[in-house]
Amino acid sequence: QVQLQESGPGLVKPSQTLSLTCTVSGVSISSGSYYWNWIRQPAGKGPEWIGRVYTSGNPNYNPSFKSRVTISADTSNNQISLKLSSVAAADTAVYYCARENPPNYAFRAYDIWGQGTVVTVSS
Amino acid sequence: QSVLTQPPSVSGAPGQRVTISCIGSSSNIGAGYDVNWYQQLPGTAPKLLIYANSNRPSGVPDRFSGSKSGTSASLAITGLQAEDEADYYCLSYDSSLSAVVFGGGTKLTVL
Repeated sequence: QVQLQESGPGLVKPSQTLSLTCTVSGVSISSGSYYWNWIRQPAGKGPEWIGRVYTSGNPNYNPSFKSRVTISADTSNNQISLKLSSVAAADTAVYYCARENPPNYAFRAYDIWGQGTVVTVSS
Repeated sequence: QSVLTQPPSVSGAPGQRVTISCIGSSSNIGAGYDVNWYQQLPGTAPKLLIYANSNRPSGVPDRFSGSKSGTSASLAITGLQAEDEADYYCLSYDSSLSAVVFGGGTKLTVL
């Protein structure tokens, strides 16, 4: 059974860097043809795609985050990480990691999600 | 304002049929990019409901169906049940933005 678990600080100060980790169990992130995504959702609003990584290629990012975001894969620990710099109150949201499964479904078909982690940006 | 436009809310009585529209443009749905639909129950992560416009993952009841035509897509739910009360989001890719885009979401209320 594949599971994703997000972890990281729940409170980040403005202008600092938000750092989250997604620990994947039940499958190796370097196996198959999966993409590993980060998606966030502010309270009361719709989800917003942040970006994704494929262990054998370059990550893809939402241009709206410009140069603030970095997503990487740690195959030795089977983890995906998210770093978002220069955060502001608008970055307060629930952050999810999700598996994209094009071999079995389609591109942008996120078939497995973590439970999400709440990140608040406040001084 | 979302690139993909959904009605903020829809409602229906148990057993009825409802549809949720997702209106895009020539740079996303109209460009041929697939539409996926997600269901989000309160306090939980979104769940994949429909992929590649009209396909259901295993375990999703056949009461849920999707379609796509031109620059829009639709999700239909027949035989409404109380457990269907949730937020529904469409998703596609936008070539002008070079990004995955979600619709603004539709809250389904089962009366």
